[in-house]
Amino acid sequence: NAGVTQTPKFQVLKTGQSMTLQCAQDMNHNSMYWYRQDPGMGLRLIYYSASEGTTDKGEVPNGYNVSRLNKREFSLRLESAAPSQTSVYFCASSGVRGETQYFGPGTRLLVL
Amino acid sequence: SQQGEEDPQALSIQEGENATMNCSYKTSINNLQWYRQNSGRGLVHLILIRSNEREKHSGRLRVTLDTSKKSSSLLITASRAADTASYFCATVPFSGGYNKLIFGAGTRLAVHP
Repeated sequence: NAGVTQTPKFQVLKTGQSMTLQCAQDMNHNSMYWYRQDPGMGLRLIYYSASEGTTDKGEVPNGYNVSRLNKREFSLRLESAAPSQTSVYFCASSGVRGETQYFGPGTRLLVL
Repeated sequence: SQQGEEDPQALSIQEGENATMNCSYKTSINNLQWYRQNSGRGLVHLILIRSNEREKHSGRLRVTLDTSKKSSSLLITASRAADTASYFCATVPFSGGYNKLIFGAGTRLAVHP
């Protein structure tokens, strides 16, 4: 099992450009999450999907949209990137709500 | 706002010593989890302790939870250089459908050979 995979690993964008971060899990988990991690800080929840077909806002949703494409895949879209969105983005999944989350390796995003 | 706050922010010890990290949180929780993050990598789950539990062990890890003080501690015994990493506590609030993990800012642990 690959666990949670994320693409791309690294991306540089110019202000105003758009991009989609991809996440997939092969553990048959119901719940999936997107976090961002800024230097010296813990992870902050952007959006989550408790089950296929549902998505909800987390702590810092502004400037982002998500799509739960199917049970395996959960994508994060930046419509118009801003320098404040420079961060490391982590996708995670869990089989049971509120229980252990399994994280991907992260995507480092730099917005110039 | 972040729920958990770890203390200390950074810890430097020698191999073989014990490392203790503390976490405080603000609201009632369903459970509290500890994660480890090696530099440049994703987070790895270490241990979960439920609100009705007071202590839990896993190998060289010992976690305690005091719900009256809204605090938890992670003890790593006989530390090794490979334990060098950042350690985060994360809480699942009692409200909100258990869908959210709220992370603290982490403790950076350096274990020197």
